[in-house]
Amino acid sequence: GDSVTQTEGLVTLTEGLPVMLNCTYQTIYSNPFLFWYVQHLNESPRLLLKSFTDNKRTEHQGFHATLHKSSSSFHLQKSSAQLSDSALYYCALSDQGGRALIFGTGTTVSVSP
Amino acid sequence: NTKITQSPRYLILGRANKSLECEQHLGHNAMYWYKQSAEKPPELMFLYNLKQLIRNETVPSRFIPECPDSSKLLLHISAVDPEDSAVYFCASSPTISNERLFFGHGTKLSVL
Repeated sequence: GDSVTQTEGLVTLTEGLPVMLNCTYQTIYSNPFLFWYVQHLNESPRLLLKSFTDNKRTEHQGFHATLHKSSSSFHLQKSSAQLSDSALYYCALSDQGGRALIFGTGTTVSVSP
Repeated sequence: NTKITQSPRYLILGRANKSLECEQHLGHNAMYWYKQSAEKPPELMFLYNLKQLIRNETVPSRFIPECPDSSKLLLHISAVDPEDSAVYFCASSPTISNERLFFGHGTKLSVL
């Protein structure tokens, strides 16, 4: 079946350092949608990035990700972490057919001064 | 996010019955109920499109959804179980293509 893998459960880093969160997926669908959702403590998930175009970089709020269908990856990156980036980040997969959004297990990012 | 409102915010139940309510003011066609247990990602429970139930995941029969109109969603819960303790999020999207989900602030259910 379809699945999303996020290898890091917790990422701790110092403010100003780069961030990279891994996301790989498995799907039988040739045109998957990939998403990054961010969830701050006691809040609901909020869309950060989305893509369905192969090899095209997408950016929002300083974060960027590129969907690579050849490697089934959609890694999230930011060049310089801020304290406000501390949150839970979910990579998610869907297609256009109304199937459930499949979430990865999530990566908690903790940024310290 | 005030464009998707959920009530109540917090709910503490014994074995009582209760309903969760959701209303979206975005004009979206698709509405969802998600359950998020502690330390876990959100899991889809139900998906409605234009008031029709499209997806009904493996959910205990004590959870009954209702979509009285395309902007409102209800989740009726009867005889809750401790494993039901979680945050229940309502979400919506323009279509069922899942292009983007907008989540409500959630209802935190605590089962005594």
